[in-house]
Amino acid sequence: AQKITQTQPGMFVQEKEAVTLDCTYDTSDQSYGLFWYKQPSSGEMIFLIYQGSYDEQNATEGRYSLNFQKARKSANLVISASQLGDSAMYFCAMRETTSGAGSYQLTFGKGTKLSVIP
Amino acid sequence: DGGITQSPKYLFRKEGQNVTLSCEQNLNHDAMYWYRQDPGQGLRLIYYSQIVNDFQKGDIAEGYSVSREKKESFPLTVTSAQKNPTAFYLCASSIPRDRGRMNTEAFFGQGTRLTVV
Repeated sequence: AQKITQTQPGMFVQEKEAVTLDCTYDTSDQSYGLFWYKQPSSGEMIFLIYQGSYDEQNATEGRYSLNFQKARKSANLVISASQLGDSAMYFCAMRETTSGAGSYQLTFGKGTKLSVIP
Repeated sequence: DGGITQSPKYLFRKEGQNVTLSCEQNLNHDAMYWYRQDPGQGLRLIYYSQIVNDFQKGDIAEGYSVSREKKESFPLTVTSAQKNPTAFYLCASSIPRDRGRMNTEAFFGQGTRLTVV
């Protein structure tokens, strides 16, 4: 079973509008972390935002916020006031307490390609 | 500036050849990782290392080898045993779990695109 599911292969959004990118996850751990990364066409992975499983409030970082619904195991990324530079691949990732024999490895979803339309 | 440097950016390999991808970091991180990315796919873990002279296989280690002789360096060798090596390879580093926090993100290099010709 997929640990991270991103059901939207591609999304379009009008410049200055808000957009939500979906992410659902599967884990039996009580303590875990959820991350969103942006990958522009140049290829590097840019960290955007983090949500811990015990965090009571949704994480926010500038124009990025995370809509965390623990019971539904979803961690959707909301980008407000989209800009042309937001066009990129977006990946949801999870770090579990039990992953990788003590490592800090991340398990990634397949990503969503966001295109911002002028 | 601290960061992770991968080289080369583009690499071409003939069938049957071994090639080595370089990854160097000056973030003083103990843990380093290699991921493979195929078109339309997420990142899949190849190998990881938590400390010098120690490394573990990830989900898709077959056909790859690594070494960790220095804290700063974690080179990946793609051997001739790897049947489909054409992909984008990303190196990352982070603080290891026993001294870090769950919210410590992984920092990534800019990647190496390997093509078999």
